[in-house]
Amino acid sequence: GQQLNQSPQSMFIQEGEDVSMNCTSSSIFNTWLWYKQDPGEGPVLLIALYKAGELTSNGRLTAQFGITRKDSFLNISASIPSDVGIYFCAGTRGGAQKLVFGQGTRLTINP
Amino acid sequence: SQTIHQWPATLVQPVGSPLSLECTVEGTSNPNLYWYRQAAGRGLQLLFYSVGIGQISSEVPQNLSASRPQDRQFILSSKKLLLSDSGFYLCASTRNTEAFFGQGTRLTVV
Repeated sequence: GQQLNQSPQSMFIQEGEDVSMNCTSSSIFNTWLWYKQDPGEGPVLLIALYKAGELTSNGRLTAQFGITRKDSFLNISASIPSDVGIYFCAGTRGGAQKLVFGQGTRLTINP
Repeated sequence: SQTIHQWPATLVQPVGSPLSLECTVEGTSNPNLYWYRQAAGRGLQLLFYSVGIGQISSEVPQNLSASRPQDRQFILSSKKLLLSDSGFYLCASTRNTEAFFGQGTRLTVV
């Protein structure tokens, strides 16, 4: 079953607003990843985090690997219509690097 | 970077029929490979993952099976499909932790 708790499940915002979502787990993860999925497509990698405390940006997106290695957040600044979609956190843990996903955050933007 | 080829893109199958979905990977060697299922508007449920040829780990009890006959080939199968097997199936590959996805197969069992 799911090992990552992602919140919020959905967000309805105005264009131009900032967005924040996060993932938590009771387990330690080696890697945190953030993905965006458009309808009918496979998820696309946005940001990968490899070290506790790491803060990484990709354009208007910023993500951090929590210092405890049990959480991560993703921020989107100044949202635009093409940001609409489902955002997933994912993490790898254990020697086999099994990749598990959060439940997703559905982002809707009102123009 | 890696490229994941997954086919077919869509599939409509009757209940009780067999299933074979294929996934192949380019641009890497010895990847970890995964099959996920996604119900409409929901998250990704890990079905199987493989760390090498012939090595398959099953995450949930189900009507499906997986095989890895070659390093960069991962196959999802069923002998008899159920209505509940409908969904969006995604193949993924990881190498050095970053995961890349195929475009998915939308399976409808009727």
